[in-house]
Amino acid sequence: KNQVEQSPQSLIILEGKNCTLQCNYTVSPFSNLRWYKQDTGRGPVSLTIMTFSENTKSNGRYTATLDADTKQSSLHITASQLSDSASYICVVSKAAGNKLTFGGGTRVLVKP
Amino acid sequence: DSGVTQTPKHLITATGQRVTLRCSPRSGDLSVYWYQQSLDQGLQFLIQYYNGEERAKGNILERFSAQQFPDLHSELNLSSLELGDSALYFCASSGGQGYGYTFGSGTRLTVV
Repeated sequence: KNQVEQSPQSLIILEGKNCTLQCNYTVSPFSNLRWYKQDTGRGPVSLTIMTFSENTKSNGRYTATLDADTKQSSLHITASQLSDSASYICVVSKAAGNKLTFGGGTRVLVKP
Repeated sequence: DSGVTQTPKHLITATGQRVTLRCSPRSGDLSVYWYQQSLDQGLQFLIQYYNGEERAKGNILERFSAQQFPDLHSELNLSSLELGDSALYFCASSGGQGYGYTFGSGTRLTVV
């Protein structure tokens, strides 16, 4: 069964600290993996997208890694800001048919 | 602005009623996807259209239907509304395999 599991479900961190979110998937055949940021009540916004051959990609203070062998990805947030408070969703695309499988998301709360 | 336009932004209606949500994809994108997100839940895939034809179906109720028009905009019709249909409804568009998958800002439906 094609699944995407994210951990932790929620996370509270202090402003200025770093954190790492995890995503494990079983989707096969794999096409690409994306991380989205979703502010409460807003549409998800793409942070990074990685294909099989890419193992790291950065977008400002966000750095995503991908290990296609172990089917794991992480999203690292550096020097967190209050505006980083949001849900972060890992989405894996299947190679055939562009079918997307969504993880349940990690809710991050950054406190001053 | 993501380029994907959803209207209306908010909708309040009574149980038993019918509503239509509208989505205009990014210029050039042929695929439109509809998602439902209930309070504090993940995104649930409803249906996909590609160039006017239904391409994939997810957990879409029989009371719900959608279509994509020749100008590529899409409408999601929700009928016999129940309290449990209250949710955010997102539309996303894509140009093809994997890349360019962009969400709109959503329609918040409240059924009272």
